[in-house]
Amino acid sequence: GEDVEQSLFLSVREGDSSVINCTYTDSSSTYLYWYKQEPGAGLQLLTYIFSNMDMKQDQRLTVLLNKKDKHLSLRIADTQTGDSAIYFCAESRSSNTGKLIFGQGTTLQVKP
Amino acid sequence: DAGVTQSPTHLIKTRGQQVTLRCSPKSGHDTVSWYQQALGQGPQFIFQYYEEEERQRGNFPDRFSGHQFPNYSSELNVNALLLGDSALYLCASSPGQQETQYFGPGTRLLVL
Repeated sequence: GEDVEQSLFLSVREGDSSVINCTYTDSSSTYLYWYKQEPGAGLQLLTYIFSNMDMKQDQRLTVLLNKKDKHLSLRIADTQTGDSAIYFCAESRSSNTGKLIFGQGTTLQVKP
Repeated sequence: DAGVTQSPTHLIKTRGQQVTLRCSPKSGHDTVSWYQQALGQGPQFIFQYYEEEERQRGNFPDRFSGHQFPNYSSELNVNALLLGDSALYLCASSPGQQETQYFGPGTRLLVL
């Protein structure tokens, strides 16, 4: 995950918004993904954005992409205790589209 | 509609042994990718299978090999196990090589 960077930990209060950030290095990225991993489980696809888009909204989730700065963010509105998990961003590059490159993951802790 | 399934869920082996992990893709998916997730890290791409052939490979030694069957299910084989092979092994399937990947629950391998 050396090419995709994420902060390791975020703590928020229930009902607040959470913003998880990710930076990537390859300008040829085609799709960028957000996955959620709960303890002892596999990865659940949350949402994704194509590289020619700036924003995508899906219910409580908003993805923002700044292609110039190679910065991706995931905003979770009205964060709930069930949102506590590890969140991974991943990129797919045009040169190697079958391979996802993941960040280290951001642990989101939601306090009641 | 069953999602991606993997077996076994847990496995304990000793150094030098060989292991086979299995994956059944989501219905309608013909491409299977394998990832290794060490504790506290993001998943690392091992390889991808499509039309029963390895199409892409990450930076893993030849001890890691795989197979895809005509029904699209797949196996991951690891020979001469090392302590460092202890990890969660994730299988992901997609309806094509470049399409969005959906992950299974993983197989947790412990090498003693």
